[in-house]
Amino acid sequence: GAVVSQHPSWVICKSGTSVKIECRSLDFQATTMFWYRQFPKQSLMLMATSNEGSKATYEQGVEKDKFLINHASLTLSTLTVTSAHPEDSSFYICSARPPIGGYTFGSGTRLTVV
Amino acid sequence: AQSVTQLGSHVSVSEGALVLLRCNYSSSVPPYLFWYVQYPNQGLQLLLKYTSAATLVKGINGFEAEFKKSETSFHLTKPSAHMSDAAEYFCAVSDGQGGSEKLVFGKGTKLTVNP
Repeated sequence: GAVVSQHPSWVICKSGTSVKIECRSLDFQATTMFWYRQFPKQSLMLMATSNEGSKATYEQGVEKDKFLINHASLTLSTLTVTSAHPEDSSFYICSARPPIGGYTFGSGTRLTVV
Repeated sequence: AQSVTQLGSHVSVSEGALVLLRCNYSSSVPPYLFWYVQYPNQGLQLLLKYTSAATLVKGINGFEAEFKKSETSFHLTKPSAHMSDAAEYFCAVSDGQGGSEKLVFGKGTKLTVNP
């Protein structure tokens, strides 16, 4: 089946540094990918829609300059958390929609900012 | 705007008992509906989906769900719970083909299975 690979699975970074998270569609092309954030014991909140070759579409309340999204190819989207602070600590999950079937999710990235 | 309401943030059943997780949706267009399962510190795995075909949808691991337009519901059931079913379950809705394709999730229901 369609697979989305997300890397890294977990990362710890110092406050003020930037962290990049990669999301790859392994066996299909994804012109659109989605980035979600999940707080502990809560649901997934859509942060932005990543569009190949164009700017991402951010949800209301999401800071574009803090959460940089790049979708440079049909199989790769990246989310960079810039100048990370402890409040950015969360579980980030990407998703894509293969040609057949429902949305496929990455395994998530646990970000801890210390 | 679309929305999903999952009734009951926690559901506890005995092993072998019926599992019923409730989901009601709101959508201004014919919806696509999904159930996902999430194990700790992992991504989401699709259990089943409704995309305007048969109203009774069968998924993986013995789960099924029935789309009831009159009740705007898409409840998830499994006849006999197994210990391995313990996880977090999310119902989600999208506006289907031609729409934004964004998924809107419910708040989730944590299923506990007691031996």
